[in-house]
Amino acid sequence: NAGVMQNPRHLVRRRGQEARLRCSPMKGHSHVYWYRQLPEEGLKFMVYLQKENIIDESGMPKERFSAEFPKEGPSILRIQQVVRGDSAAYFCASSPKGDAYNEQFFGPGTRLTVL
Amino acid sequence: SQQGEEDPQALSIQEGENATMNCSYKTSINNLQWYRQNSGRGLVHLILIRSNEREKHSGRLRVTLDTSKKSSSLLITASRAADTASYFCAPGYTGNQFYFGTGTSLTVIP
Repeated sequence: NAGVMQNPRHLVRRRGQEARLRCSPMKGHSHVYWYRQLPEEGLKFMVYLQKENIIDESGMPKERFSAEFPKEGPSILRIQQVVRGDSAAYFCASSPKGDAYNEQFFGPGTRLTVL
Repeated sequence: SQQGEEDPQALSIQEGENATMNCSYKTSINNLQWYRQNSGRGLVHLILIRSNEREKHSGRLRVTLDTSKKSSSLLITASRAADTASYFCAPGYTGNQFYFGTGTSLTVIP
């Protein structure tokens, strides 16, 4: 059973471009979470999605950021008009259920660098 | 804030010694999880302790939870160089959102 997959692993964008980060959850998992980690800091919760639904986006900036988890295909975190402050590692995690007792399985992360 | 706060921020010990790190949180939880992150990698789940549990063991790991003090501790016994990593606690609330702290950076010196 493959783990959580994220691609690309590294992404370089110039200011103003768009960044699209993909996350394929573990097989059988329908709950996906996105986190951002700035250098030397912990993970900050961004958004929690279940298939085709956004459950909680309280940690995601209101502008330029969006997330989706379609019925078919990976979850996408999209950052429009990137700025240098968006440079960070973005991790997604998945779990089989959405209750509070499930561990989350993390992907290897996408490291975004904005030039 | 709903995130956990780990203490100390950094810890350096000799191989074979025990490492203890603490986590405090502010509001009532359903459970609390500990994760490890090796440099440049994703997080790996270590252990989950439910709010009605006081202590839990997994191999060389021992986790305690004191809900009256809103705190948890992670003890790693007989540490190894491979334990060098950052350790995060994640208080769990309803809805399965976890709020990670900034972590404790553990260095085990061979």
